[in-house]
Amino acid sequence: ELKVEQNPLFLSMQEGKNYTIYCNYSTTSDRLYWYRQDPGKSLESLFVLLSNGAVKQEGRLMASLDTKARLSTLHITAAVHDLSATYFCAVAKTYDMRFGAGTRLTVKP
Amino acid sequence: NAGVTQTPKFRILKIGQSMTLQCTQDMNHNYMYWYRQDPGMGLKLIYYSVGAGITDKGEVPNGYNVSRSTTEDFPLRLELAAPSQTSVYFCASLAGQRTGELFFGEGSRLTVL
Repeated sequence: ELKVEQNPLFLSMQEGKNYTIYCNYSTTSDRLYWYRQDPGKSLESLFVLLSNGAVKQEGRLMASLDTKARLSTLHITAAVHDLSATYFCAVAKTYDMRFGAGTRLTVKP
Repeated sequence: NAGVTQTPKFRILKIGQSMTLQCTQDMNHNYMYWYRQDPGMGLKLIYYSVGAGITDKGEVPNGYNVSRSTTEDFPLRLELAAPSQTSVYFCASLAGQRTGELFFGEGSRLTVL
């Protein structure tokens, strides 16, 4: 069964600092997703990673995928308050898609 | 372009009542999903469909039923509502396995009292 683990579950950062969120999964997969969710809102797609070694960047966020290690990372560079949200990774095997528990990120001044 | 539309956005049910959450997508996507999100938690897969007439169970299907009579619609039915079904329900659709992006609806917040 496809299982997804994220860590940390809670992350409090100061503005300007860097940090990484980790996403491990249990079986081979076809695609890996990163989403952002603001309180009371739906999920906003950040990245879709399709192959081993894939790296995508958007602003202060960079996601990478290592399919051999079954690991994806979401790296935050020079955090700003606007990045405060919950971040989810999701892993897909054909049409079966499972989510991690989420990382609740708080960026403090 | 409407994308994925869910109705209702909010609903309060009494224990034992039944209801249907509606989900419609206008992108001609084959794959559709229902997830539930409990407060402070991740998303759990309830049911999914790979095309009209084909549905399958996810992680937490008990207490729910789905149907997929058309490509556009994927309703989720709750029979005999229980307090444990209080949650936010998200419908999502995916064009295909190789194209990647999963599109979400705005969510339906259900409270069972």
